[in-house]
Amino acid sequence: DAKTTQPNSMESNEEEPVHLPCNHSTISGTDYIHWYRQLPSQGPEYVIHGLTSNVNNRMASLAIAEDRKSSTLILHRATLRDAAVYYCICSNNDMRFGAGTRLTVKP
Amino acid sequence: NAGVTQTPKFQVLKTGQSMTLQCAQDMNHEYMSWYRQDPGMGLRLIHYSVGAGITDQGEVPNGYNVSRSTTEDFPLRLLSAAPSQTSVYFCASSYSSPGLGIDTQYFGPGTRLTVL
Repeated sequence: DAKTTQPNSMESNEEEPVHLPCNHSTISGTDYIHWYRQLPSQGPEYVIHGLTSNVNNRMASLAIAEDRKSSTLILHRATLRDAAVYYCICSNNDMRFGAGTRLTVKP
Repeated sequence: NAGVTQTPKFQVLKTGQSMTLQCAQDMNHEYMSWYRQDPGMGLRLIHYSVGAGITDQGEVPNGYNVSRSTTEDFPLRLLSAAPSQTSVYFCASSYSSPGLGIDTQYFGPGTRLTVL
């Protein structure tokens, strides 16, 4: 599994877009890029995942660099409920979480 | 579906005591795993199982035992609790290995364990 690097924390204003970056320069060709988030006092929950192409779902979008060495999770309009720790994981087997990015959303 | 359930929610142990953290899922998932999360840290994988009768070690397996006799249950045993095992423990499940990109992991609500 590739090591990932994420900023420790980020801030956003409510109703504005948020771009959460992740670097994974040692990613292998078979590693998927997964994003999970953990709301306060809860277990993590799935957000989105992708391999090579950009992905969209009802929660977020995932933009993957052409060389796959970095990716960005995009929340199109942040809400207070999006305040959480966001984890980026590169894996094709078991999932190993790093420290993640703590997102604060200001009203 | 109840999803992934964990019991107990809270537990306090004395050093040297043993206990079993219970995890069950009703989604017929083959893959199950245990993580621990220390204060202010990310999750670390303890053990995982790809199906009944099959288990393997994760990043931090020392001090923990697991077994998988049924698809539904994946208990985590602490044989001799130590203060370093004070943590929040999460159980997760999915149809297949979550890294394969086929499906997602579902997490339980966690067990908060304190070892004195």
